[in-house]
Amino acid sequence: GNSVTQMEGPVTLSEEAFLTINCTYTATGYPSLFWYVQYPGEGLQLLLKATKADDKGSNKGFEATYRKETTSFHLEKGSVQVSDSAVYFCALPYSGAGSYQLTFGKGTKLSVIP
Amino acid sequence: DSGVTQTPKHLITATGQRVTLRCSPRSGDLSVYWYQQSLDQGLQFLIHYYNGEERAKGNILERFSAQQFPDLHSELNLSSLELGDSALYFCASSVEAGPFEQFFGPGTRLTVL
Repeated sequence: GNSVTQMEGPVTLSEEAFLTINCTYTATGYPSLFWYVQYPGEGLQLLLKATKADDKGSNKGFEATYRKETTSFHLEKGSVQVSDSAVYFCALPYSGAGSYQLTFGKGTKLSVIP
Repeated sequence: DSGVTQTPKHLITATGQRVTLRCSPRSGDLSVYWYQQSLDQGLQFLIHYYNGEERAKGNILERFSAQQFPDLHSELNLSSLELGDSALYFCASSVEAGPFEQFFGPGTRLTVL
């Protein structure tokens, strides 16, 4: 079945530092890929997505490129802010008998200090 | 705001009890997924309903059950509760049953004492 391996962290960065969170996947075919973010005390929010190989998803300064050669979907941001402190999850749909539940990585907790 | 609502936000109960968690999907979404988030297991898929019918089961215990009603809201029933059932329970909705993004509710935090 589909699976996701994600850098676990925690990651602590200073404000304006560069962020990379690694995500690799195992899947049949070329599924859509997602990054979700969970701010403290809240539910998961879709941060960005890519639906096919070589697609780049972007939102709020975050980017991730769907790379089928390396089966990766790494999350990057050029200059992080304190407000980016959250847990980030890489996810892909797992297809089984007409259902597409999401399979998540273990999450990476990011703390940004002023 | 994702448009998905969940009630209650917090629930504290005792072992052996039964609780019901409620989820209302985004307007127009036919699919409802339930997930459990715990420190040791991470985010785990429990069950998926599409337009009132069960589509898939994941790591859902036999003590747990769910249903989706004609108005598309869904309920997750947890019975004979154990300490280990303490977790955050999320529902998510999507427009169809395909590989589309899912929109998550704020979650219900269940504490079993």
